[in-house]
Amino acid sequence: DTGVSQDPRHKITKRGQNVTFRCDPISEHNRLYWYRQTLGQGPEFLTYFQNEAQLEKSRLLSDRFSAERPKGSFSTLEIQRTEQGDSAMYLCASSPEFPTEAFFGQGTRLTVV
Amino acid sequence: AQSVTQLGSHVSVSEGALVLLRCNYSSSVPPYLFWYVQYPNQGLQLLLKYTTGATLVKGINGFEAEFKKSETSFHLTKPSAHMSDAAEYFCAVSRSGGSYIPTFGRGTSLIVHP
Repeated sequence: DTGVSQDPRHKITKRGQNVTFRCDPISEHNRLYWYRQTLGQGPEFLTYFQNEAQLEKSRLLSDRFSAERPKGSFSTLEIQRTEQGDSAMYLCASSPEFPTEAFFGQGTRLTVV
Repeated sequence: AQSVTQLGSHVSVSEGALVLLRCNYSSSVPPYLFWYVQYPNQGLQLLLKYTTGATLVKGINGFEAEFKKSETSFHLTKPSAHMSDAAEYFCAVSRSGGSYIPTFGRGTSLIVHP
């Protein structure tokens, strides 16, 4: 068990560019969550997968955001036409079928300049 | 719907003093409750959790929390603060309508003075 892995850890991009983040959950976990965290705030829920099915999306997830989890394994979060307001830490978490706690990765810090 | 309120964005204590971080929750179904700790530029690490059973739960690093249904509270305590406890602490609630999606509070920054 190597824990939840996120890549990259840091990303600096110019406004208007597209970015993609990857999350590898704990191997036996079928639930996967994406959160966004801005400075001084708690994590805010973005979207949730059970296996490959995206079951819930937050209102925070605008049309510029898309997430996938092909084959129920790793997940990607893509942001198109990035804006400065997208600058944040993007956290991925996973949990097993009968969940108690969510296990978090180290996060990807996005800076849009 | 579920929500979490953490009273106090910053709590300052002296090393060796009692730590008390407050959390109140709202949930329409019996909750699962969690405390996580976050160090700078890191992900969240679970300190402790309440699901069912004993209402006083013990976690890592000497922390404990008590679930009080009548007060809808889940306050985090530690008898004696250590410098290494300085971090951001988040309370979370899940198990609303079966989705189990954790909802987090805004966090409390714990400052420990020598």
